[in-house]
Formats: sequence, structure tokens, C-alpha cells
Amino acid sequence: QVQLVESGGGLVKPGGSLRLSCAASGFTFSDYYMSWIRQAPGKGLEWVSYISSSGSTIYYADSVKGRFTISRDNAKNSLYLQMNSLRAEDTAVYYCARDSPYGGNDYWGQGTLVTVSS
Amino acid sequence: DIQMTQSPSSLSASVGDRVTITCRASQGISNYLAWYQQKPGKVPKLLIYAASTLQSGVPSRFSGSGSGTDFTLTISSLQPEDVATYYCQKYNSAPPGFGPGTKVDIK
Repeated sequence: QVQLVESGGGLVKPGGSLRLSCAASGFTFSDYYMSWIRQAPGKGLEWVSYISSSGSTIYYADSVKGRFTISRDNAKNSLYLQMNSLRAEDTAVYYCARDSPYGGNDYWGQGTLVTVSS
Repeated sequence: DIQMTQSPSSLSASVGDRVTITCRASQGISNYLAWYQQKPGKVPKLLIYAASTLQSGVPSRFSGSGSGTDFTLTISSLQPEDVATYYCQKYNSAPPGFGPGTKVDIK
């Protein structure tokens, strides 16, 4: 069965960095686009970034462009999000999600909480 | 960027009621629209893609329609387990933005 397991969240001071990881299993990871989507406490969903199956195509939300870097290692079935220059408004649960070839995100991890606070 | 709006922002209905949620795109997106259900404290779940195609395993009381800029999600007979926030998402082009959500609860 498809599983996505995020890790790497935690408490970080403003201006600090964190690297999130997402371990994928149960499907051919290298065949799928993957996304990071976040949800601030009590708020709606915000798409953050996606990466193509080969890693050659990447997009970022304007809110994180220049600060966050998405990457993947298909040999390790893993997705990453390097987050630098973190701000209080980056506080959220970060979900790793598989992009369905038919549209939308069909599998989501349980999420990892990132808290940016002094 | 194309903006997504939803209405209403919340609604309360009785068990068995027909419930309709509207999603509107600021520009045409053909049928590149998905709907998600997020129950309290849970992970979002894909309900519908391509505006009207039900994801595998989703109960048939859920349906979607629309094309271009105006879309609807309908629950034909509201059940207690449908209490959730529902989000639309456009995916015709980057960024694949979400609507603000519609919270549904039981009257």
C-alpha cells in the first residue's frame, strides 16, 4: 500500500533552517510528481512546491520562492524540502503528497509540524 | 495567478439533506479541478478529480460538476461522517492553488 512518511519538523527560531524528508513506499516513486503542501494552525491548505518525476521541473509558491528548495532522490524513494530563512508565517503542518497523473494529490502523508518562534 | 474562491464558507445542514458547495476560478481552468475532504484532525482526502470523476472508494453520494470557471460539489444525502472542511484545487497550471475551504457540519 502507498505510504508517505514525513520527518524533520520541529521548533526553529526565525531566520533558521530545517530540512524535511518524506519517505515513500508502496509505489514506483520515480514515476510520480511529488508535492509539499502546508496548513497553518486552524487555516486552509496552501500548496508550497512540486517536483517532476525526474526532478527536472520544479515550481514554488511565491511565498517561499528563494527560501525553500525541493529535491528528490529516486534511488532512496525520498522527497526533501530544505527550508531556509524561516519566518513565523511558515509555521504549519507540512504534508508530502503524491501527484496523481489524473489530477489532484491522491496520497498524503500524516504531516510534520514546523513551528517558527523565538 | 488564478484565484480560487468557495461559497459558502460554512454551512449547517440536517442528515439526509442535499448539500451544494460552489468553487469559482478567476480564469477558465477547463475541467482541471479537484475536490478534497478534510475531517477534523485528519489528512486531506481526494474526492473528485477532473471536476466530476469520483476517486476510487469515494461514496456515490458525492458528485462534482462544472467546467471553465464555475464548479460544484454536491453531497446528495448528508451523513454524519461527512462533517468536514471541503477544498477545491485547480491544477491546470502552476501554482495548483486551493480554495479557502467550506466547513460542513450537522444541524
